[in-house]
Amino acid sequence: DAMVIQNPRYQVTQFGKPVTLSCSQTLNHNVMYWYQQKSSQAPKLLFHYYDKDFNNEADTPDNFQSRRPNTSFCFLDIRSPGLGDAAMYLCATSRKLGQLKKETQYFGPGTRLLVL
Amino acid sequence: KNQVEQSPQSLIILEGKNCTLQCNYTVSPFSNLRWYKQDTGRGPVSLTIMTFSENTKSNGRYTATLDADTKQSSLHITASQLSDSASYICVVSVSAGNNRKLIWGLGTSLAVNP
Repeated sequence: DAMVIQNPRYQVTQFGKPVTLSCSQTLNHNVMYWYQQKSSQAPKLLFHYYDKDFNNEADTPDNFQSRRPNTSFCFLDIRSPGLGDAAMYLCATSRKLGQLKKETQYFGPGTRLLVL
Repeated sequence: KNQVEQSPQSLIILEGKNCTLQCNYTVSPFSNLRWYKQDTGRGPVSLTIMTFSENTKSNGRYTATLDADTKQSSLHITASQLSDSASYICVVSVSAGNNRKLIWGLGTSLAVNP
């Protein structure tokens, strides 16, 4: 089945220790997104890749970086995690075709990050 | 300011009952409106998506309505099941040239009890 896969589902890291979350997709979608979702809050877009073009949200901290080595994979790197970075991190994909108005994002199951 | 407000914040119903969730938005320019279902600890799953010209869309027991004049949407769940327990999130897409920005509501937390 075509899907969005995130590994690991749960990640524990130490304060200040770099951590990488991974996302892969079998949908062959050209856009991949990373969201941060804290408890009882809406997902907050961090950045997205439109093909190879990286688009950073204005309020995304410099601590967060992303890589997309190919169409199928996208990584979220947190260089120096703080306690406030503990959250669910959601990866999503979509197929963007020009002005298509019904572009739907397909979400992965998320990776829950715990910072000790 | 672009905003999406949902009500109620939480809802408890008995299995088999119907319920309606509300979404009001102040977003411009409007592109489309989606309803997502998010189970606890999981990613959101799309239920429906509607553009300006569509005023109703069904997906099984889920029926969404859209009134673009009053900027309101509702999600009606028929014959609820225990598996419907989740957060239901209304998301409105703002069109800005070639880019689109999603404005997320905070969701309605639905609990279906036996």
